Amino acid sequence: GDSVTQMEGPVTLSEEAFLTINCTYTATGYPSLFWYVQYPGEGLQLLLKATKADDKGSNKGFEATYRKETTSFHLEKGSVQVSDSAVYFCALDSNYQLIWGAGTKLIIKP
Amino acid sequence: DVKVTQSSRYLVKRTGEKVFLECVQDMDHENMFWYRQDPGLGLRLIYFSYDVKMKEKGDIPEGYSVSREKKERFSLILESASTNQTSMYLCASTRQGVNTEAFFGQGTRLTVV
Repeated sequence: GDSVTQMEGPVTLSEEAFLTINCTYTATGYPSLFWYVQYPGEGLQLLLKATKADDKGSNKGFEATYRKETTSFHLEKGSVQVSDSAVYFCALDSNYQLIWGAGTKLIIKP
Repeated sequence: DVKVTQSSRYLVKRTGEKVFLECVQDMDHENMFWYRQDPGLGLRLIYFSYDVKMKEKGDIPEGYSVSREKKERFSLILESASTNQTSMYLCASTRQGVNTEAFFGQGTRLTVV
């Protein structure tokens, strides 16, 4: 069945560092791909999405590009802030359900 | 502001108790979901519903049941709580169709003692 694999955390970075969180997927067809973020003590919220190959989703300085050839949707940000500390989930849309990665905890130190 | 509301943020229950977790959404969404979130395991789907009175098992339905009597409300029931059901429970809703955004409640942290 469809699945999502994302890099294990926690990922610890200093403020203003470059961020990459890897996400790869296995799916039949061409699903939509999503990144959700969960700030401490809160539920998940959509960060960005891409619905077809080569699409780039972006929001709040984060970007991810739908790469069909490598079945990847890596999350990047050029300069992270302490406020970006959260858990990040990669997901794909499969038969009207979302298939989730395990989540990557990001810790940003001042 | 659109909202998914879970009835409790924190619950402590005893082993063997019947537990009800309530979720209400105000977006007229057709689909509603219950997940549990455990460290290192991500989100695991317990049950979902795509219409009133309809329900489908997710990946880990054992020990749980659900009820959807009204479109806006989706309840998760632990018939006889056990310590291995200690977890964070998340409710979500989406509208019908593909590529739709899921909206989540803030979660209920359930501890079974």
